[in-house]
Amino acid sequence: DGGITQSPKYLFRKEGQNVTLSCEQNLNHDAMYWYRQDPGQGLRLIYYSQIVNDFQKGDIAEGYSVSREKKESFPLTVTSAQKNPTAFYLCASSWSVDNEQFFGPGTRLTVL
Amino acid sequence: AQSVTQPDIHITVSEGASLELRCNYSYGATPYLFWYVQSPGQGLQLLLKYFSGDTLVQGIKGFEAEFKRSQSSFNLRKPSVHWSDAAEYFCGKGAGYQKVTFGTGTKLQVIP
Repeated sequence: DGGITQSPKYLFRKEGQNVTLSCEQNLNHDAMYWYRQDPGQGLRLIYYSQIVNDFQKGDIAEGYSVSREKKESFPLTVTSAQKNPTAFYLCASSWSVDNEQFFGPGTRLTVL
Repeated sequence: AQSVTQPDIHITVSEGASLELRCNYSYGATPYLFWYVQSPGQGLQLLLKYFSGDTLVQGIKGFEAEFKRSQSSFNLRKPSVHWSDAAEYFCGKGAGYQKVTFGTGTKLQVIP
């Protein structure tokens, strides 16, 4: 089955620790995205990548980092510099940046 | 920068009643338009999309949307709502190699 996987579904970390969220797709899509969701705030774009080895900051990139070494993978690291990291994180991919996006099931990160 | 507006944050309808969710977008190049649905704690699922051609688009789960260029709108409709339709709905727009922008979402509550 083609699709996007995110792991883990729930993640708990202590304050001050970096944490990496996994996102893998087997749809052969060029573009990948990371969004953050907080109650009542819709989808906020963190980073996106149009092609391997290239990525751009979204609207709320501060405190986050990404890499795109493989077409299939776009991991997101939430660093200790992110002031309020507890949120629901969604990964998505698409053929091109103006096209429909396919979303993963999400990872809920809780920082204690 | 392109923008997408969903004027209604929260809508309540009775089961069996008709539904219309509003979506307006900023004027620009011929848009690609999307509607997604999200159940709590889940990723987003594509309901329907408009790229070109017939302005009335049929989607999954009995939903349809109509593209009206003169009104810069892409409203989502369903003739008879089921309790399982309770979810959050997001409208999105892409155009001419510009990345997709999403509205802030409309939360639908269905009452018996």
